[in-house]
Amino acid sequence: EIVLTQSPATLSLSPGERATLSCRASQSVSSYLAWYQQKPGQAPRLLIYDASNRATGIPARFSGSGSGTDFTLTISSLEPEDFAVYYCQQRGNWPPITFGQGTRLEIK
Amino acid sequence: EVQLVESGGGLVQPGGSLRLSCAVSGFTFSTYAMTWVRQAPGKGLEWVSAVSDSGVTTYYADSVKGRFTISRDNSKSTLYLQMNSLRAEDTAVYYCAQHYSGPTFQHWGQGTLVTVSS
Repeated sequence: EIVLTQSPATLSLSPGERATLSCRASQSVSSYLAWYQQKPGQAPRLLIYDASNRATGIPARFSGSGSGTDFTLTISSLEPEDFAVYYCQQRGNWPPITFGQGTRLEIK
Repeated sequence: EVQLVESGGGLVQPGGSLRLSCAVSGFTFSTYAMTWVRQAPGKGLEWVSAVSDSGVTTYYADSVKGRFTISRDNSKSTLYLQMNSLRAEDTAVYYCAQHYSGPTFQHWGQGTLVTVSS
């Protein structure tokens, strides 16, 4: 089973700042990594798929990079609605499909 | 507009059974694989099970293998999860999700809460 480790667990930033979230896989997943945003009481929302492709309707301030075992989600300039929990998920070697434990992005 | 609507959640005693449904509209259900993902209260996301577009091939997380059964009825555009021998640790919100570009999930339902407790 591929384990995904996200860091940091919590990130405290202010609106307008740049956010950098990390996801590390226990073995290579090639580019088969996705990022999701989840707000309280809501289903997750797909942001990025296959490491660097923005999903439909996702603003350009969200970008993804990486391959193999190290991946990054960058939010270039935080908007108030971006404060949420972010999960990475791999499909490079499944089953099982696995998710990271999440990074909470909170307002400083 | 794509819609996935889960139902069937509720309170069940340990050892009991429950069947979840996910009614889909807005896309051609029979051409997409589907998945169930769950989230225990205050915890992260856990993949539970997936089924191919035809329903022939199924996959399970080790934590539910032998207890849960995923199925689909393409004529009704509905996905199911039969859950038997339920345990307290199965308590979670259960989401159905559509596979997009392999098991990446663009469309999700709103979730249905399953509580296993005596």
